[in-house]
Amino acid sequence: NAGVTQTPKFRVLKTGQSMTLLCAQDMNHEYMYWYRQDPGMGLRLIHYSVGEGTTAKGEVPDGYNVSRLKKQNFLLGLESAAPSQTSVYFCASNSPTGYQETQYFGPGTRLLVL
Amino acid sequence: EDQVTQSPEALRLQEGESSSLNCSYTVSGLRGLFWYRQDPGKGPEFLFTLYSAGEEKEKERLKATLTKKESFLHITAPKPEDSATYLCAVPPGSARQLTFGSGTQLTVLP
Repeated sequence: NAGVTQTPKFRVLKTGQSMTLLCAQDMNHEYMYWYRQDPGMGLRLIHYSVGEGTTAKGEVPDGYNVSRLKKQNFLLGLESAAPSQTSVYFCASNSPTGYQETQYFGPGTRLLVL
Repeated sequence: EDQVTQSPEALRLQEGESSSLNCSYTVSGLRGLFWYRQDPGKGPEFLFTLYSAGEEKEKERLKATLTKKESFLHITAPKPEDSATYLCAVPPGSARQLTFGSGTQLTVLP
């Protein structure tokens, strides 16, 4: 099992360009999440999905859109990139049941917006 | 507002010098406290989940403990390979999410 994979690993964008980050998981998890990680600020939730075809906003959703057309994939889109979106993006997944809420993370995508 | 605060922000230890990392939280109805390890350039890796005050869990040189307001990650006789950022997280309220602290960056010098 590959677990959670993310593509690309690294990307440089110019302000105003668009791009899509792909997250894929092979653990048949129901829930998927997108976080961003900035120095000194920890992981902050951007958007999440509780199942195929559903999405919801997290703590910092502005400037991002997401789609979950297939259970195993969760896409994060930046329509018009801004320098403030320079960050490391992590995808995670799980199938929370009862008190079992452990999330499993991908290796991250490093994005630089110039 | 649910909050998770970790201290110290950074910790440098000599190999073999034991210490503790702190994670304090304010959340109603705790449904678990999670510890993760993150190596540079990688995603967080799950370590432990603690569910109730008084619970302890161990893994090699790491032991996590939980009280009603905080958790400690004790590192006994650390080695350089224990160097990493350690993150704690809690589910906020009734939501199926995790709120993360900003982490403690641990450096163990040989």
